[in-house]
Amino acid sequence: GENVEQHPSTLSVQEGDSAVIKCTYSDSASNYFPWYKQELGKRPQLIIDIRSNVGEKKDQRIAVTLNKTAKHFSLHITETQPEDSAVYFCAASIVGGGSNYKLTFGKGTLLTVNP
Amino acid sequence: NAGVTQTPKFRILKIGQSMTLQCTQDMNHNYMYWYRQDPGMGLKLIYYSVGAGITDKGEVPNGYNVSRSTTEDFPLRLELAAPSQTSVYFCASRTADKLNQPQHFGDGTRLSIL
Repeated sequence: GENVEQHPSTLSVQEGDSAVIKCTYSDSASNYFPWYKQELGKRPQLIIDIRSNVGEKKDQRIAVTLNKTAKHFSLHITETQPEDSAVYFCAASIVGGGSNYKLTFGKGTLLTVNP
Repeated sequence: NAGVTQTPKFRILKIGQSMTLQCTQDMNHNYMYWYRQDPGMGLKLIYYSVGAGITDKGEVPNGYNVSRSTTEDFPLRLELAAPSQTSVYFCASRTADKLNQPQHFGDGTRLSIL
């Protein structure tokens, strides 16, 4: 089955700096890669996602890049703010063609933005 | 439109007791999932369902059972609670209509087994 590795497990940055979280996946058939943000005691919430036919996607301060050949994808947060502090999870899935849309998650990255 | 609703929010069980974690969604989603989240770990899939009457095992199904008699409800049953099942349980659902749609999560059930 799919295996998703996520690094680093913890990341501390100063407010205004950029943060980068990296994930690798094992199943070359995976074609959908969402990122979830989970604040303490809350539910995971989707912040951005990318399909395998796209190399990069941006939404304001958040961007995701995908390298299909190397089977890795990354989350980039620019101009970090204290409210960006949370646990971030990457995930991989196969969508389309009778898929069951199961997600395989990485273990998460605890991002702390220091004021 | 409540989304995905889980009950209870918190529960303490004794070893060997049984209980059912409830999950219901009002978005008419075909796909539903149960995950457990242990400290410092990602979410691991327990069971999932692609529609009423159809369920299948995920990565960590041992010690759990599910049923899907309606589109809306997907309860998770623990028959003989064990300390290893202490975790936060999340239910999620997803539409079958479009490819680039996320899974929507409930608020979770925090379960402690003592």
